This record gives sequence, C-alpha cells and structure tokens, in this order.
Amino acid sequence: KAGVTQTPRYLIKTRGQQVTLSCSPISGHRSVSWYQQTPGQGLQFLFEYFSETQRNKGNFPGRFSGRQFSNSRSEMNVSTLELGDSALYLCASSPRDRVYGYTFGSGTRLTVV
Amino acid sequence: GQQVMQIPQYQHVQEGEDFTTYCNSSTTLSNIQWYKQRPGGHPVFLIQLVKSGEVKKQKRLTFQFGEAKKNSSLHITATQTTDVGTYFCAGEDGTYKYIFGTGTRLKVLA
Repeated sequence: KAGVTQTPRYLIKTRGQQVTLSCSPISGHRSVSWYQQTPGQGLQFLFEYFSETQRNKGNFPGRFSGRQFSNSRSEMNVSTLELGDSALYLCASSPRDRVYGYTFGSGTRLTVV
Repeated sequence: GQQVMQIPQYQHVQEGEDFTTYCNSSTTLSNIQWYKQRPGGHPVFLIQLVKSGEVKKQKRLTFQFGEAKKNSSLHITATQTTDVGTYFCAGEDGTYKYIFGTGTRLKVLA
C-alpha cells in the first residue's frame, strides 16, 4: 500500500516568488491536513480538507492557500514568498474515521533565499 | 486560541531508565493523539485517546488521558536506543484541527 506522497522533496525559491506543493494521500483517505514544521515553532497547522471542502484553517496569512481535488489529492500554494516561509511542509492523510490517526508524508523542504 | 504545551522539552536518559512526557492543553479536547518523529523523519502515529481517564498500553508505552480531557501523558518503561526521537501530542477540539504540542526530544544513552 503506497504511503502519502509529497512532491517535490526539495525546493529553493527566491523571495517574492510563489510555490505550489503537491500531496497524494493514501488511497481511500479523504481527509488531508497540511502542517508547517520549523525548529523554532514546531508543527503548525495550516489547513484541513475533506471531500474538497476546507473544514478548518490555522493562523497563517492569506498568502497560504490550498485546495483538494475530487481524487483527494491536495495542493498548497504560497504566494509572495518571504524568508520566514522556509520550512518543512508536511501533508498528512486520514481515513474518514480519525481513530486511525494521520499518516504523514516525508514532506517538502522549502528554502526561500 | 488553543495551545498545547509539552514538558520537558528535552530528556536524556540512560538505557533502561523510564521516561515520561506530559502534555497540557489550554482547552478541553475531544481527543488526543500521540506521534513519534525520528531524527530526519516525519511524525508517525502511535495512538489516539478519546475517553476521559482512558489508559492504553503498547508494549513498554503507556498513554493516559486526563479526567478533564485537558492533559495527557506518555510513559516509556525501560527505554531502549530505538526509542530515540521527538514525541508529540496533538489535541483536537472537535473542529478537525489538530494542534501539536511543542514536543519532547528524547535521547537514550547506551
């Protein structure tokens, strides 16, 4: 059974640019969450999607957006990149029933220069 | 907003010693999950607790959920070098938003 796949694994972007990260959840998983992980702030919740609907979002500026497609694949977009956006972006998927927990992907390491 | 704190931030133990990490939420939780992240890896789901006062065991790991559903703990008996990593709790307030704790980094000295 394939795990959660995130692409690309590594990305270097320049301040002011925009970036799109992709996440393919485990087959059959309909809930997808995104997290930003940095050494100073830990794991910060970005947003959660279920059946193409955003059910909740964290306290991030509007430059951070996301969407989920009908096949449950998800993308997140960051516009007008800032140096502080450098982080590991993790996607996690879960079946409808959250008792099984979230399965995380290996993440996308974004570096903004 | 909801905050989840964990203590201690770091813990070094000799192999064979016990280890405990504590998680405290500023709000009542509908459930709490625990994850382990190895150095250079991603968080891996360990367990979910839902009921007030719930206790669950996984081999040498014991998880507890407080009576008020605002705190939780993870206890490891007789640590091994394979237990090295950062342990996170993640609490949900019923809105599909899991807030992760600050994490406890465990080092086990052989």
